[in-house]
Amino acid sequence: EVQLVESGGGSVQPGGSLRLSCEASGFTFSNYGMNWVRQAPGKGLEWVSYINSGGTTIYYADSVKGRFTISRDNAKKSLNLQMNSLRAEDTAVYYCARVASGIDYWGQGTLVTVSS
Amino acid sequence: DIVLTQSPLSLPVTPGEPASISCRSSQSLLHSNGFHYLDWYLQKPGQSPQLLIYLASNRASGVPDRFSGSGSGTDFTLKISRVEADDVGVYYCMQSVQTPLVTFGGGTKVEIK
Repeated sequence: EVQLVESGGGSVQPGGSLRLSCEASGFTFSNYGMNWVRQAPGKGLEWVSYINSGGTTIYYADSVKGRFTISRDNAKKSLNLQMNSLRAEDTAVYYCARVASGIDYWGQGTLVTVSS
Repeated sequence: DIVLTQSPLSLPVTPGEPASISCRSSQSLLHSNGFHYLDWYLQKPGQSPQLLIYLASNRASGVPDRFSGSGSGTDFTLKISRVEADDVGVYYCMQSVQTPLVTFGGGTKVEIK
């Protein structure tokens, strides 16, 4: 069974940093590109970042470019999102999601709250 | 950037009746490989999104056949042939023709009358 389990969310002050992690199981992690997608409270879905299967191709949404860094460790089957210079508008549930034909598996999400 | 516009924003439905959601794109979602890169997702209350339809008309694994997707170019539709109570939630379309730069529609909330 495919499972994606996020961790690392929490409360942080504006300007602070957090590191999210996603542990994958039930599939060959190194074969798939991965996304981070977020959802602000009561709002819709927003794509944040993508990394390809080998970690060599990376993209970011304009809203996070220069502040967030995506990475992966295929040996540990883990996906990470380093978030720096956090802003109030980054408050959201962050989902780790597998890219296949569509985004076919999503984690349960981890909540990030940026507030003073 | 490609903008996806969903309608309606809210859709009250009667169990057993059909339902339809529209997704219109600001640009064609037809890839050079001949496929339309438009997916549909359902986010049930309190849950993560789940894939329903990929490449405009292909049902994801385990999705009931009462769900169907159609459309081409810039206009796409998700149809539910007979709505069930378990189908409530927010439906999103997503484009990935500029993959991996994807965008989502604003969502359509489906609720039982």
